Amino acid sequence: AQTVTQSQPEMSVQEAETVTLSCTYDTSESDYYLFWYKQPPSRQMILVIRQEAYKQQNATENRFSVNFQKAAKSFSLKISDSQLGDAAMYFCAYRRGQGAQKLVFGQGTRLTINP
Amino acid sequence: EAQVTQNPRYLITVTGKKLTVTCSQNMNHEYMSWYRQDPGLGLRQIYYSMNVEVTDKGDVPEGYKVSRKEKRNFPLILESPSPNQTSLYFCASYRTGSYNSPLHFGNGTRLTVT
Repeated sequence: AQTVTQSQPEMSVQEAETVTLSCTYDTSESDYYLFWYKQPPSRQMILVIRQEAYKQQNATENRFSVNFQKAAKSFSLKISDSQLGDAAMYFCAYRRGQGAQKLVFGQGTRLTINP
Repeated sequence: EAQVTQNPRYLITVTGKKLTVTCSQNMNHEYMSWYRQDPGLGLRQIYYSMNVEVTDKGDVPEGYKVSRKEKRNFPLILESPSPNQTSLYFCASYRTGSYNSPLHFGNGTRLTVT
């Protein structure tokens, strides 16, 4: 069974600084997708970024980027120029390739932004 | 607006009193699913449905029931709630065949069972 591990229950960063959230996963599949979701206090689940395993290039969305290391099964999220609105719980998630719909989530990392 | 709508947003009940959490999506998605979120455990899948009248167990199905009589609706039923079902629940939907598309989540239902 696939598992996703986020080893940092909490992180904090100064506003305007850069922070990296860690995620590792375990799978024997070669075709899969990885996601980072943000959950602010409103509880809404917001997709931040996604990565297809077959793509070597790291995904980027504005201030958010990932470091995808397929061999190491690592998928970290980097947030540049942190803003107060980035404060939230962040979940890493895995989904197997074609035919699969279930997301397997990590435990979550609570990110605090210090002004 | 494309959305997944869950109701209620908050629910407090007592042990053994049957309850239903509703979920509806307006995107004509085939796949719908229920997750529960607990501290330190992330989100775990309870049940899912690939289409009308097709449902299957997820990772933590005990104590829950679902039905899918219409494509847009996927209610979660707790026949006899217990305190260990106190949790934050999310409904999600997805268009099958779009493999890199994300799940669309509802806004969550905070359930407390006393």
